[in-house]
Amino acid sequence: QQQVKQSPQSLIVQKGGIPIINCAYENTAFDYFPWYQQFPGKGPALLIAIRPDVSEKKEGRFTISFNKSAKQFSLHIMDSQPGDSATYFCAAKVAGGGNKLTFGTGTQLKVEL
Amino acid sequence: NAGVTQTPKFRILKIGQSMTLQCTQDMNHNYMYWYRQDPGMGLKLIYYSVGAGITDKGEVPNGYNVSRSTTEDFPLRLELAAPSQTSVYFCASSNRDRSDEQYFGPGTRLTVT
Repeated sequence: QQQVKQSPQSLIVQKGGIPIINCAYENTAFDYFPWYQQFPGKGPALLIAIRPDVSEKKEGRFTISFNKSAKQFSLHIMDSQPGDSATYFCAAKVAGGGNKLTFGTGTQLKVEL
Repeated sequence: NAGVTQTPKFRILKIGQSMTLQCTQDMNHNYMYWYRQDPGMGLKLIYYSVGAGITDKGEVPNGYNVSRSTTEDFPLRLELAAPSQTSVYFCASSNRDRSDEQYFGPGTRLTVT
């Protein structure tokens, strides 16, 4: 049973475009929603995260939008660059219990010149 | 700080062989995790530990064993390797008291033939 559904599986945008990656969850006990970025041959690294008490969080060119009632959250990358080409994973965590994360299936983003 | 280190980087096993994937972190983190990553499937939690001497199963523990005798080390043992265990394995750690961020190692690519 997949608790965090991520789409699309892959995405190609032109330099300067705004790719949007979406995630939906089912478990209302989730209290922390991070996005991880992974470059080929590397481990994932935390990009940005949000808690359900806010609807939006921005860090540089990266923005998370969060819709608690719809149980959805999304990642927006403003002014995307070729260096943003990577795989992006959304995730969610239930309070306590060892900080375990449930990951989405990933989105492979390619930003073309 | 080296962060989270994993050895080996690559390994080929024959069916039925066993091996130990090593993971060490130098950040004095309480929590450690093992994930496997398969194409299009995201990261699945195999085992996790909230401290030395304490381990618990994740989503996909069958065929694996772990131990945590020190804060720094969290080895993953594969007994009787099977082709279904062909995957990329990531170790991660996080600090219980400071943040929810998980820090990932560079991964071990394992092929079982």
